[in-house]
This record gives sequence, C-alpha cells and structure tokens, in this order.
Amino acid sequence: KNQVEQSPQSLIILEGKNCTLQCNYTVSPFSNLRWYKQDTGRGPVSLTIMTFSENTKSNGRYTATLDADTKQSSLHITASQLSDSASYICVVSVGGSYIPTFGRGTSLIVHP
Amino acid sequence: NAGVTQTPKFQVLKTGQSMTLQCAQDMNHNSMYWYRQDPGMGLRLIYYSASEGTTDKGEVPNGYNVSRLNKREFSLRLESAAPSQTSVYFCASSPHGGGQETQYFGPGTRLLVL
Repeated sequence: KNQVEQSPQSLIILEGKNCTLQCNYTVSPFSNLRWYKQDTGRGPVSLTIMTFSENTKSNGRYTATLDADTKQSSLHITASQLSDSASYICVVSVGGSYIPTFGRGTSLIVHP
Repeated sequence: NAGVTQTPKFQVLKTGQSMTLQCAQDMNHNSMYWYRQDPGMGLRLIYYSASEGTTDKGEVPNGYNVSRLNKREFSLRLESAAPSQTSVYFCASSPHGGGQETQYFGPGTRLLVL
C-alpha cells in the first residue's frame, strides 16, 4: 500500500530560527514528490516539485531535498517568519496514476 | 485570474438532505479533482475528471456523484448527506492531466452534516 509519513506532527519555533520537516514514503513506482503549504482556512499551495533525478530544489527560504534511495524527503525553512505558520503537506505521485498519496501534514507554528 | 473558486464557503445540512458543491477554474486546465480533508488525515481524492467529458472514481467515491459540466466547471453532489460526510471539501485543477502535475486548489467548502 502506498503511504506517506510526515514528522513531526507539529512543531513550534521562534521567529528567525530554522527548521526541517521530514517525509518518508513507500510509493511505487515513484513519479514525483511535492511539498504544499496550507494556511489555516485556505487550500494548499505548491512550494516545490521534485522528480527522481533531483536532489535539491529551492523556493526562496524553502529548500526541499530528496533521497530516492532511502525514500526520504525533507523541507528546510530558513530564517522563519510569522507567515510561515501553516501546515506543510508532502505529496507523492505514482507513475501512471491520477491518485496522489498525501501525507497528513506537519503543523508549524512560528512565535514572535 | 480568480484561479479555482468554490461555492458555497460553508454549509450546514441535516442527515438525508442533498446538495451540490460548485467548482470553477479560469486557467483553461484540462483536469479537475474533488478532495475531502478530515482532521488528522491527509487529503483524499473523491473523484476526478481527466478531461472534459470524463470522470473517474478516486479513493473514497461512495455517497458522492460528480458532473463535469464543461471545461471550467466540476460539481460534486451529495444525494443523501450523512454525518460521516462532515468535512472540508477542496476542488483542484491541473493543466494537462495526471496525478504527477502540480494541482491548484480552491479555498474549500466547509460542510457540517447534523
């Protein structure tokens, strides 16, 4: 069964600090991995998309990494801001399928 | 561009009532999707439409029906609402089709079934 596990479930950090969110997956055949940001009461918004051959991809202060051998991805947030408070969702797509597998998300709270 | 819009934003139903959730996109995307999001669970695909004129079941289709009215619009219908269908419903679209593409989500419809 295809699964995506995210950790931690929730995280509280101080403004200006860095943090790293984890995503482990058991999906086959792997197509790509995406990170979404979901603000409270809003729909998810894509941050990054990574294919099998990509190790790192950045989007401003967000940097995603992918290790296809260990089936792990991480999302690193640098110099956090209050606006980074949100749920971060890892999504893995299976080749040839319209049904992606979503993780349950990591809830990040950034305190001033 | 408004992107993906959904109506209504919030709805309360009694068990057994029916309703239709509306979704429209103005990005000329081929594919559209309906998801539900429940506390502590990931988004789950209910139905999708790979292109105008086609619809297919996702992971949790029971109790729902869909209509791809035209390229812009994709509606989700609950024929006889049940408390288990209390959830937040998101519509999404993607340019060419395929679960591998980045999807663009609407703001969601919050449904409470009493």
